[in-house]
Order: sequence, then structure tokens, then C-alpha cells
Amino acid sequence: EPEVTQTPSHQVTQMGQEVILRCVPISNHLYFYWYRQILGQKVEFLVSFYNNEISEKSEIFDDQFSVERPDGSNFTLKIRSTKLEDSAMYFCASGTRATVRDTQYFGPGTRLTVL
Amino acid sequence: SQKIEQNSEALNIQEGKTATLTCNYTNYSPAYLQWYRQDPGRGPVFLLLIRENEKEKRKERLKVTFDTTLKQSLFHITASQPADSATYLCALLTGGGNKLTFGTGTQLKVEL
Repeated sequence: EPEVTQTPSHQVTQMGQEVILRCVPISNHLYFYWYRQILGQKVEFLVSFYNNEISEKSEIFDDQFSVERPDGSNFTLKIRSTKLEDSAMYFCASGTRATVRDTQYFGPGTRLTVL
Repeated sequence: SQKIEQNSEALNIQEGKTATLTCNYTNYSPAYLQWYRQDPGRGPVFLLLIRENEKEKRKERLKVTFDTTLKQSLFHITASQPADSATYLCALLTGGGNKLTFGTGTQLKVEL
């Protein structure tokens, strides 16, 4: 069964450094998402992406964040200058349509630790 | 303000019993509600979706109800097994129809 993959599984970085989290969505999916989950808290929406542009973003997704689909398979989340409070699990998800009638499939996550 | 609330306390039940988890929401008018399962250190896994005009939805041992008047959904696992132990999340489609807003989740532990 096809699945969303994410790399790396764990990323440790120093505060102020740039990180890029990578995702390979399911191949025939057209809608892509990033969510994050701070330890012990709920899963929070960051951004959705369709047709090579952002369709919606949350208040968390400020100028320090960016997303890109550099080729036909990868979907990346970049944090330009990491802060301690960026430490969280970051989940990529993909779906065939934007509506909730279509399920979002989540990857296993990347644990980001900012020191 | 908008809220999606689930029991924050863990639910412990005996194997074979029915587990019932609650999701309450305020200041939303969702057309759909979803339930996900999340295991420690893993991403959410979709379980069931129910529409506002559906009162009940079943899938194998799972049953979801949706009461838009009470603004509540109940999630039932019948004949529970230790393998059902996980955190269960409810989620609404919100905003422009393009994002999931999750509740905090309820941890279920099924004991032998």
C-alpha cells in the first residue's frame, strides 16, 4: 500500500540554523500539507499546498517558514532560523482532493529538536 | 472561541468491553467529522468519516455517531483488544475547507 515517507526521522539543530524537512507524498496525490505536534499537545495545521502554491496557512506559518515542491516527488518544509519553540514532530500529509471527503494520509513524522 | 474538546484523561478498559470516546465542539458548523488513531511517535491514521446528515457510521468494530444539535461525536470500539490501545483524535474540516483541526485526543488503554 502506498504511503507518505519523511526524512529524516530525527533532526537536531542549533537555534538560529536553517532546517529542511523532506516528504515524499503518495504519487497520485495533488494536495499536500504540513502539520506539527509539540510534545503532549494537539496536532496543528501549518500549511496546505496545491498546484505549486500555498492554498492556506495558519498563524504559526510565519515568514520563517516556507514550502516547496522542487520536483515531481518531493515536498519540503524549510525553517529559516529555528527557535527553541520550533521543537516538535512535523507531519507531512497528502490527499487526492482538498475536501474532507478525501482522506489525508499522514507520514511518520520528523522529530525536530532545537538546542 | 472555537474549541474541539476530547477527554484529556486516559481511558482504561478491560479487553472485550466497549470503549466510548467523546468529542465536543463549539463555534463550528462542520459538514464532516473525522476520527484518527495515533500511536506514540507516529502520524495520525484515518479511521472513519461521518457527514452532518449521517447519524451513525460503522466500520468493523468501530462505530461513530454525530449529533449536530449537541455538537458532539461519540466513537465506540466494541470487543476491544490490547492492540486498540492508542490515542484517538477527532478532527473537523475548518477554514477554507482545506485543513484539519484536531482535538487534543484521548488515550485509550485496553488491559487484559
